[in-house]
Amino acid sequence: DGGITQSPKYLFRKEGQNVTLSCEQNLNHDAMYWYRQDPGQGLRLIYYSQIVNDFQKGDIAEGYSVSREKKESFPLTVTSAQKNPTAFYLCASSMVSWDSEKLFFGSGTQLSVL
Amino acid sequence: RKEVEQDPGPFNVPEGATVAFNCTYSNSASQSFFWYRQDCRKEPKLLMSVYSSGNEDGRFTAQLNRASQYISLLIRDSKLSDSATYLCVVKNQGGKLIFGQGTELSVKP
Repeated sequence: DGGITQSPKYLFRKEGQNVTLSCEQNLNHDAMYWYRQDPGQGLRLIYYSQIVNDFQKGDIAEGYSVSREKKESFPLTVTSAQKNPTAFYLCASSMVSWDSEKLFFGSGTQLSVL
Repeated sequence: RKEVEQDPGPFNVPEGATVAFNCTYSNSASQSFFWYRQDCRKEPKLLMSVYSSGNEDGRFTAQLNRASQYISLLIRDSKLSDSATYLCVVKNQGGKLIFGQGTELSVKP
């Protein structure tokens, strides 16, 4: 079955540590996105990529980094520069960039700081 | 002012009730509008798009008022399974999606 897979489901980070969240899709989608969700808040865009080897900063990119070396994969690294990383992270993809009617989400990763 | 703002929740309603959510947006050039449903700690899923003429899907009705810049979602005959957070989503003129903070609905027996 085609879909978008995020791992791990739960992740714990120590102070000063970088961690990487995985996002893989087998939908042959060109566009991929990373969002952050805090309790009682909407999704905020961290980074997005419209095509392989290209990505753009979203609204809250500071303290995060991404890569898009393969069409299927868009990993997100939460660096030690991100001082408040505890949140629910959602990866999404779409065939056409910003086509919300065909936006597929992964099941999310809950990141917590130890 | 937030670009997309929703009714603060939570809404606690009995089964069978009719409930309406409102959402306002600040950018008059916004292009498209959607309602997503998100269950607790799960991924959001598209519930329905919102068209200018209004649209209905079973017990759900979505309406758009461009003059007043608001979108609404009406749920009739609410079921226990409707309990979730409902996210208003607006596509701005640059094509980006802007999510509201969500309105939590809890349907009780």
